[in-house]
Amino acid sequence: QSALTQPPSASGSPGQSVTISCTGTSSDVGGYNYVSWYQQHPGKAPKLMIYEVTKRPSGVPDRFSGSKSGNTASLTVSGLQADDEADYYCASYAGDKGVFGGGTKLTVL
Amino acid sequence: QVQLQESGPGLVKPSETLSLTCTVSGYSISSAYYWGWIRQPPGKGLEWIATIHHSGITYYNPSLKSRVTISVDTSRNQFSLNLNSVTAADTAVYFCVRDRAYITTDYWGQGTLVTVSS
Repeated sequence: QSALTQPPSASGSPGQSVTISCTGTSSDVGGYNYVSWYQQHPGKAPKLMIYEVTKRPSGVPDRFSGSKSGNTASLTVSGLQADDEADYYCASYAGDKGVFGGGTKLTVL
Repeated sequence: QVQLQESGPGLVKPSETLSLTCTVSGYSISSAYYWGWIRQPPGKGLEWIATIHHSGITYYNPSLKSRVTISVDTSRNQFSLNLNSVTAADTAVYFCVRDRAYITTDYWGQGTLVTVSS
């Protein structure tokens, strides 16, 4: 069982927006502003999409945004595109260790 | 361009030690940042294993700490993972990563599948 809880699946049509949640505790998500999100296409290594809750690495489209409220972090993908179909994982710093969510499979209908 | 490449046996027998090395190019690991290992069992999610700071300070997943050692060889620009007393549950793709800090892993190796089987 993963330390952080994500919905196993999410979906949306091209052009729509979808939000994926990531729920932890006050010892991880709620306790630090160090939540990151990763996109993983089949057979590939994960790619950093969001870090420190809201920041985007260079090259990541601004269609991807992050937020946090209490012990729950969220990733929003706006203007869905076919290539956004992938698995998404959240991760959080938890005081001298890292924890991941179980992953969410995003389907673009 | 920073690149990471895992190397090591793809098959390990139960109860033996899994040993992997990550070779970093395009960046000197002695300069800064953290370096670590993350694994992914087939069809499952990601699990953080361990991280080492370029100064040598180490951090371990509590659930694996008794079996894991991470080390760095700055002369070769490599870092390594040893996981002992392996079982089938340790079968996974193992990724080496650069961690900017606080689980912000901005560079990943391609991953290497390690199967634990007799």
